[in-house]
Amino acid sequence: DIQMTQSPSTLSASVGDRVTITCRASQSISSWLAWYQQKPGKAPKLLIYKASSLESGVPSRFSGSESGTEFTLTISSLQPDDFATYYCQQYNAYSGTFGQGTKLEIK
Amino acid sequence: QITLKESGPTLVKPTQTLTLTCSFSGFSLSAGGVGVGWIRQPPGKALEWLAVIYWNDDKSYSPSLKNRLTITKGTSENQVVLTMTNMDPVDTATYYCAHRLCRIATCPPGGFYFDFWGQGTLVTVSS
Repeated sequence: DIQMTQSPSTLSASVGDRVTITCRASQSISSWLAWYQQKPGKAPKLLIYKASSLESGVPSRFSGSESGTEFTLTISSLQPDDFATYYCQQYNAYSGTFGQGTKLEIK
Repeated sequence: QITLKESGPTLVKPTQTLTLTCSFSGFSLSAGGVGVGWIRQPPGKALEWLAVIYWNDDKSYSPSLKNRLTITKGTSENQVVLTMTNMDPVDTATYYCAHRLCRIATCPPGGFYFDFWGQGTLVTVSS
């Protein structure tokens, strides 16, 4: 099974900050990685697919990148609406594994 | 407009079988490339993928839960059913169904990410 290690588990930041969340796969997954945002009591929302493709309607301050088996979600300038929990998900063939989540808190 | 909604019991007893139904609109599960998946989330914990069914009736299951799960298309063409046997208190979670449609070259064969989600249904396992 492919394991996804997400870090940090908690991140404190302020409005306007640039933040980065990382996900590392236990083996190669090519670019088959998605990022989701989840707010309390709500279903996850797709932000990015194929490592760096922005889902329609998602603000351009969100971006994704990859380097080997390490994937990064960057929020260029935090907005109040961005404080939430973020999950990565690998989707290599016929399999899907989520990371443990990163809770983005207001500093 | 794509919508999905989960339904089923809110409380099940240990050892019982859970049956959840995902009712959806705005897409056809017969259309090429479409899939519906199930994901769960224990209270305060991370998301866990369970199963997915594709337009061609192929299915994939989480390796750790494979022996307990069955995903099928429902009797109605806009429903997907998930059954999980031998329920345990650790299976207490919010269960989500979600839509899969990989855009061109954005998924490997059988790969899936989810662009539309249901609101989720909380299932508690307790005697």
